[in-house]
Amino acid sequence: AQSVTQLDSHVSVSEGTPVLLRCNYSSSYSPSLFWYVQHPNKGLQLLLKYTSAATLVKGINGFEAEFKKSETSFHLTKPSAHMSDAAEYFCGGATSGGSYIPTFGRGTSLIVHP
Amino acid sequence: DGGITQSPKYLFRKEGQNVTLSCEQNLNHDAMYWYRQDPGQGLRLIYYSQIVNDFQKGDIAEGYSVSREKKESFPLTVTSAQKNPTAFYLCASSLLLQGPTGELFFGEGSRLTVL
Repeated sequence: AQSVTQLDSHVSVSEGTPVLLRCNYSSSYSPSLFWYVQHPNKGLQLLLKYTSAATLVKGINGFEAEFKKSETSFHLTKPSAHMSDAAEYFCGGATSGGSYIPTFGRGTSLIVHP
Repeated sequence: DGGITQSPKYLFRKEGQNVTLSCEQNLNHDAMYWYRQDPGQGLRLIYYSQIVNDFQKGDIAEGYSVSREKKESFPLTVTSAQKNPTAFYLCASSLLLQGPTGELFFGEGSRLTVL
């Protein structure tokens, strides 16, 4: 069964410092993995997705994520945080080879201090 | 522009009343989903539908009902049987592929408050 785990419920950084949001997955099949961002009272917006074409995936707003099969991880990074990055981030995924039923982690709240 | 439209954005309900949340998409996507979001609990799947006139229960279907009479529409009814309906509800859609899959597209959400 597919599952996604976000390792931190909250991450706090200072503006201009690097961001790391951690996500592990478990899957019996090759996964499709995603990172979404959610601002208050809004829907989720796709940041980036991994679908086996390349292990390093670049997304919008300077975010990127690296798929590491040996570590079953798909961590989200950004070299320099901006105040506007403060939001809730969700890691999600699904397995190929069957019905596509996406699952999500519990979310990580990114706090950015001036 | 293509996208998913949820309405209403805010809804208040008295205990014992059923309410229906609307979700419409013009992306020509096959699959549609309803998620419930509560603080600290992420997104929990209520129902999903991969084809017209067919839908499946998700992890927390009790107290909810859906229909899929048209490809573009997937309304969710929160019934009086739902014990704690106050939450933020998100509708999503996706193309249904057999290989590496496409992402979900989300609506802006509907916030339901029971008075």
